[in-house]
Amino acid sequence: GAGVSQSPSNKVTEKGKDVELRCDPISGHTALYWYRQSLGQGLEFLIYFQGNSAPDKSGLPSDRFSAERTGGSVSTLTIQRTQQEDSAVYLCASSLRGSYEKLFFGSGTQLSVL
Amino acid sequence: AQTVTQSQPEMSVQEAETVTLSCTYDTSESDYYLFWYKQPPSRQMILVIRQEAYKQQNATENRFSVNFQKAAKSFSLKISDSQLGDAAMYFCAYRRYNFNKFYFGSGTKLNVKP
Repeated sequence: GAGVSQSPSNKVTEKGKDVELRCDPISGHTALYWYRQSLGQGLEFLIYFQGNSAPDKSGLPSDRFSAERTGGSVSTLTIQRTQQEDSAVYLCASSLRGSYEKLFFGSGTQLSVL
Repeated sequence: AQTVTQSQPEMSVQEAETVTLSCTYDTSESDYYLFWYKQPPSRQMILVIRQEAYKQQNATENRFSVNFQKAAKSFSLKISDSQLGDAAMYFCAYRRYNFNKFYFGSGTKLNVKP
């Protein structure tokens, strides 16, 4: 596609429910990142995928968070048993390589946990 | 650990004037990259400018330029002839050479007054 697409744009859920956030990167981009942006905070690295290599999961805050990338393209970030502190904007970005190539960001998913 | 600090949570500038946004970072590495990203209300982050640490010459992109002081670990963004469309959150980011993670500052909200 023309850009990085994320869905849904907004998600409201109840505490304890599971949610799935989707990211569709730019075609041909092998690197894919998930970041979390909490109110008034910078972007917090969550996970990184590069081609067929094992993902860098070092930023996932707890085992309630997981992500996968199918066929080297679409990625899904799953949050199980959501907590109120999970409320944030979840941003996905992709790039051509895992080098200093610039990141192309989606518009994010605003997650609100009630 | 790498950290990026933006000490100005919010700034204002008059249209057509010049404004400088500050950024400092902490690293023990000699090879790295620095970036300024813009986040408008649409939430989609856009790369404004980037700088390779090994280059002494400051990067410039039209009305945007940086003042890169490697020894001081400072990387400020100057916006000349400010326009209403420049109003946004601006994030400073660091990436170590050959590593995957981008480290972001907490952002500076720029207001442009007509």
